Amino acid sequence: GENVEQHPSTLSVQEGDSAVIKCTYSDSASNYFPWYKQELGKRPQLIIDIRSNVGEKKDQRIAVTLNKTAKHFSLHITETQPEDSAVYFCAASNPNTGKLIFGQGTTLQVKP
Amino acid sequence: NAGVTQTPKFQVLKTGQSMTLQCAQDMNHNSMYWYRQDPGMGLRLIYYSASEGTTDKGEVPNGYNVSRLNKREFSLRLESAAPSQTSVYFCASSETWGTTEAFFGQGTRLTVV
Repeated sequence: GENVEQHPSTLSVQEGDSAVIKCTYSDSASNYFPWYKQELGKRPQLIIDIRSNVGEKKDQRIAVTLNKTAKHFSLHITETQPEDSAVYFCAASNPNTGKLIFGQGTTLQVKP
Repeated sequence: NAGVTQTPKFQVLKTGQSMTLQCAQDMNHNSMYWYRQDPGMGLRLIYYSASEGTTDKGEVPNGYNVSRLNKREFSLRLESAAPSQTSVYFCASSETWGTTEAFFGQGTRLTVV
């Protein structure tokens, strides 16, 4: 079945450093790849997404890259700040089935 | 605009009891989802409804049933609760199935003792 693998499970960086989270997906029909941020005790919220017809997308300090051939995509956060500390989830969606499958999550800690 | 609303927020059940988690969205979305969140396992899809009138199994459907009551409402039922179903449950909705942003409810923390 469909599967999304996410690494690392935990990531600790110093404030101002960059953070990179990587995901791989198994379903080659997937064409929509969102990233969600979940703060402690809160609901997941979308921070950026990318579709299969695009290789890279940026939004201020956040960027996402997609390699369809290798079936992997990554989240890049530059100039990290303490408020970036949260759990980040990647996801992949198959437009034929409608399933939205999430990775296992990455706990990011940004140390002041 | 309330977005996605789940009830209840907290629930404690005894093993074998049944209950229904309610979810409603006011964004006129077509697709709705139920996920469970357990430490280290991310968000796992239980059931989803790509559009009104359809429901399909996700990654972990065993022990659950769903009903898409109308376009707004999507309920999740536990017929005979087990301790393994202790989790945080999230309902979500999106405008179209699997290709647009999913909006999440605030979650239901369920404990089965």
